[in-house]
Amino acid sequence: DAKTTQPNSMESNEEEPVHLPCNHSTISGTDYIHWYRQLPSQGPEYVIHGLTSNVNNRMASLAIAEDRKSSTLILHRATLRDAAVYYCILRDVGVDRDDKIIFGKGTRLHILP
Amino acid sequence: DAGITQSPRHKVTETGTPVTLRCHQTENHRYMYWYRQDPGHGLRLIHYSYGVKDTDKGEVSDGYSVSRSKTEDFLLTLESATSSQTSVYFCAISELAGGSEKLFFGSGTQLSVL
Repeated sequence: DAKTTQPNSMESNEEEPVHLPCNHSTISGTDYIHWYRQLPSQGPEYVIHGLTSNVNNRMASLAIAEDRKSSTLILHRATLRDAAVYYCILRDVGVDRDDKIIFGKGTRLHILP
Repeated sequence: DAGITQSPRHKVTETGTPVTLRCHQTENHRYMYWYRQDPGHGLRLIHYSYGVKDTDKGEVSDGYSVSRSKTEDFLLTLESATSSQTSVYFCAISELAGGSEKLFFGSGTQLSVL
């Protein structure tokens, strides 16, 4: 899988929007962009994924750059419960895909009350 | 939680002893994964399986072996545990959804090797 680059940490105020960036300049045409988050003392959980178009679900929105070399996870109104490590990964689900799903170190998001 | 159960949840063992961690799933998923997580390193893939008796190495496979004799169980074995294998171990399965695959993780096993 192609590599991703994320900031080590970010801070945001409670009840404000948060934009978490991810760079993936070597993304291939069949790579989906996935976001996961890991709350303290828990396993990672799926947040959202997309291919080309922006995506929305009840947890977050995913904005994908037109050239697909970067994406942004948007939490519209952060709460203290959103404090977690957020991981951006790429998944190629082609027939000959490599299933070594590699997570980086992610972005640790701190929410200030 | 996609029906994933990890056992044990916590284990303390001594250096040199064998340890087996179990991941059990109830929904017939083909792909299963073992990760370890250590401070400063994030999640690192140890081994994964793409079917019964089909497994492959991940990033940090040295000192670990796996077996998958049934679809529902993926076992991770530390043949001779070392202190460097003290970690939190997560099992995961992947499920096809929305043109891609979602990963679902178990609750983790905290392993301490003294």
